This record gives sequence, C-alpha cells and structure tokens, in this order.
Amino acid sequence: QKEVEQNSGPLSVPEGAIASLNCTYSDRGSQSFFWYRQYSGKSPELIMFIYSNGDKEDGRFTAQLNKASQYVSLLIRDSQPSDSATYLCAVRVYGQNFVFGPGTRLSVLP
Amino acid sequence: EADIYQTPRYLVIGTGKKITLECSQTMGHDKMYWYQQDPGMELHLIHYSYGVNSTEKGDLSSESTVSRIRTEHFPLTLESARPSHTSQYLCASSDLAGGDYEQYFGPGTRLTVT
Repeated sequence: QKEVEQNSGPLSVPEGAIASLNCTYSDRGSQSFFWYRQYSGKSPELIMFIYSNGDKEDGRFTAQLNKASQYVSLLIRDSQPSDSATYLCAVRVYGQNFVFGPGTRLSVLP
Repeated sequence: EADIYQTPRYLVIGTGKKITLECSQTMGHDKMYWYQQDPGMELHLIHYSYGVNSTEKGDLSSESTVSRIRTEHFPLTLESARPSHTSQYLCASSDLAGGDYEQYFGPGTRLTVT
C-alpha cells in the first residue's frame, strides 16, 4: 500500500462546476498536508496547505482535512479551463520528508 | 515564497559525459531536495540536505551525487551520463513558515542523454 494515494484520473468537469480531488494517506502521524498544481512539462506549484481538521478556504480553493479518516481533499469552485493540470497531494510527518502522491489529472471542459 | 533557480533548463548530452545540474535558492532555506520525474509519472526523491555539509540519499536509488557546501547552492552531478538518466530533475527547498515546512520547487532541468 502506497503511503499517499490519489485517483490518477483523468477527472473531467465542465467549466463552472466544482472539481473535487481526494487524497488518502496511511501514516497516522502525518501532521501537514499540501496541494500542488503541476501543468504539463512544468514544476509543481504550491497552492494550499492545511494542518488542522476542517476546512481552509483560499479564493476558489478549499482544502478539507479529516485526520480520523485519513483523507484530505481539494475543492475547486467555478472551475476554469486554466485549472486543467495534475494535482499532487503531499503529506509530511513531523521531522520527516514530504511524501507525494501520484497526482490526479484534472480536465476542465469549456 | 522561495526563489529557486535551476540551470540549465534543458540539456542534451552524449553517453559517458559528466554533467552537473545547478540549483540555487536566495531565501536562506536550510532544507533542499532533488526529485526525478519522468513525463506523466510520480515524483521520486533522490537526494536531500538539511543544511551545509549534510546530504542524504532519497527513496529512489540514483547514480548521481550531490554536495552542499553553501546554504544557497545544491548541485547534482552525474559522473557518466547514460540514456536511463533521461528525465526531468526538480530542485526544491523548504522553509519553516506558519508552523511547518512548506516546500517550493525550481523550474526543473530536462535532461536528455543520447
């Protein structure tokens, strides 16, 4: 079992819809959770991080963390074609390195 | 947010050549990392450093080596390039902010070994 799992996709949503991306992790000691966006051929770009259970909102993005269920999700409201990218979930246990998931490809259809 | 620079951005080189991929950051971050990523595939950590004179191998075995003589500089060297080394190499650094380390990536070096 991989430490961080994501559905590889592609996840296709129409423009203007809400895109929901999910990530599960295996280490209950995980404390910090990050979402990166990676356009094809480019490097990952940090878009959100969350440390506490609950929701964290930043513009059109909302990160949701449920440590009891060991999952973290990213919601993208009013999806735009420019949101089409691969979204990487990363998890960190205190004192250890980041562990990245395989990523979910999102396609927003005009 | 970190400013991380990688050079060259693209490199095509013949088998057997020695190459060094440069990575520099201007934010004074202690922690730096090298990842390898093939197109459409996962990131793999190949080296990391927690500070000057500290280097460790990552999760993916790599024939490359790294050094950390200065805080801002973390070069990766391949003594003898092979076609199997063809990949994208991403450098990253992390900073303690808001209670935990946040990791930022450089633009990457796309290496092709012919």
